[in-house]
Amino acid sequence: KAGVTQTPRYLIKTRGQQVTLSCSPISGHRSVSWYQQTPGQGLQFLFEYFSETQRNKGNFPGRFSGRQFSNSRSEMNVSTLELGDSALYLCASSLGTSNTEAFFGQGTRLTVV
Amino acid sequence: AQRVTQPEKLLSVFKGAPVELKCNYSYSGSPELFWYVQYSRQRLQLLLRHISRESIKGFTADLNKGETSFHLKKPFAQEEDSAMYYCALSSSGGYQKVTFGTGTKLQVIP
Repeated sequence: KAGVTQTPRYLIKTRGQQVTLSCSPISGHRSVSWYQQTPGQGLQFLFEYFSETQRNKGNFPGRFSGRQFSNSRSEMNVSTLELGDSALYLCASSLGTSNTEAFFGQGTRLTVV
Repeated sequence: AQRVTQPEKLLSVFKGAPVELKCNYSYSGSPELFWYVQYSRQRLQLLLRHISRESIKGFTADLNKGETSFHLKKPFAQEEDSAMYYCALSSSGGYQKVTFGTGTKLQVIP
């Protein structure tokens, strides 16, 4: 079966702009989580959606938002981009029930200049 | 609140030496723990989960509830083990909430 797909793979944006990242989960998976990965901070949780509802949210400013559609596809939006937002953004999907494996996408590499 | 701590950002060992990647957790219920690995230029993927009590690529991890730890061990490190390792905790019962540690980079020196 197809894996988790994230688009685009690479993005370059300037400060102040906004960006939307997309994630298509594995078919049948209802949970989608987003993470920011940087060399200095490691893997940091952004938020998690299950059946179109945000269930958990990490400690990120309100500039970071997301949503999930009825087909479980998810988007993440970052407004008013800052240089510090440059990172690899990872999406993971799972069934969302107890003790299930999370499957990760390849990530979107965002560079803010 | 659930929390996962990986105290080492970088662990360097020589090939053939034993490896222990530390993971401590904080969780009020009965936890479900995982180790994920990310090799260079590859996506993050599951290495093993405690409930399976399995050995993958020579790695094992034992859940120690008394010490709230889930350390990852391998008796003899190989160069191909060099990667980023993340410990993760999943809440049990009801819906799943997964918390990842910040990761440990394992560097195996030839």
